[in-house]
Amino acid sequence: EVQLVESGGVVVLPGGSLRLTCAASGFTLADTDMHWVRQAPGKGLEWVALISWDGDDTYYADSVRGRFTVSRDNSRNSLYLQMNNLKIEDTALYYCAKDGPGAYGLDYWGQGTPVTVSS
Amino acid sequence: QSALTQPDSVSGSPGQSITISCTGTSRDVGGYNYVSWYQQHPGKAPKLMIYDVSNRPSGVSNRFSGSKSGNTASLTISGLQSEDAADYYCSSYVSSNTYVFGSGTKVTVL
Repeated sequence: EVQLVESGGVVVLPGGSLRLTCAASGFTLADTDMHWVRQAPGKGLEWVALISWDGDDTYYADSVRGRFTVSRDNSRNSLYLQMNNLKIEDTALYYCAKDGPGAYGLDYWGQGTPVTVSS
Repeated sequence: QSALTQPDSVSGSPGQSITISCTGTSRDVGGYNYVSWYQQHPGKAPKLMIYDVSNRPSGVSNRFSGSKSGNTASLTISGLQSEDAADYYCSSYVSSNTYVFGSGTKVTVL
């Protein structure tokens, strides 16, 4: 059974840093690209980042580029999101999601980890 | 990367069909056949319903179908059931391996 479990979400001050982890099981992480998607409280989904299967290529939404870094360790079945210079508007539930069938479709999602940026 | 435009809400009676639109531009929806749709129940993670405009993942009911015309993609739910009440989001490839989600649509089953 495919499982994605996010962790690392906490309350942090504006300007602070945080690293989220996504633990993958039930499939071979090295076989697939992975995404991070976030959802602010009561709001819609926002695509955050993509990392290629081997970690060589990373892509970001304009809103986080230069502040967030996505990485992975396939040997540890883990995906990471390093978040620096956090802003209040980064407050959200952060999901990791697996790239699925076809050219674009996220077929498995974790339950999310909450990040709150507040003074 | 502006969000794709979806209606705030759509409603229908059990057994009816409804359609949710997702309007973008030639840079996203209109430029690629890379549109997916997600269902999200309150407090739950999103679930993939349609990928690559019109393909259903294994296990998704054939009551759900997707299509695209120009810069607008659509999700149709036929034979509406109470469990279809949820939020629905479209998403599209934009360019340079970036993506965008729609604003979301709340579906109500009357």
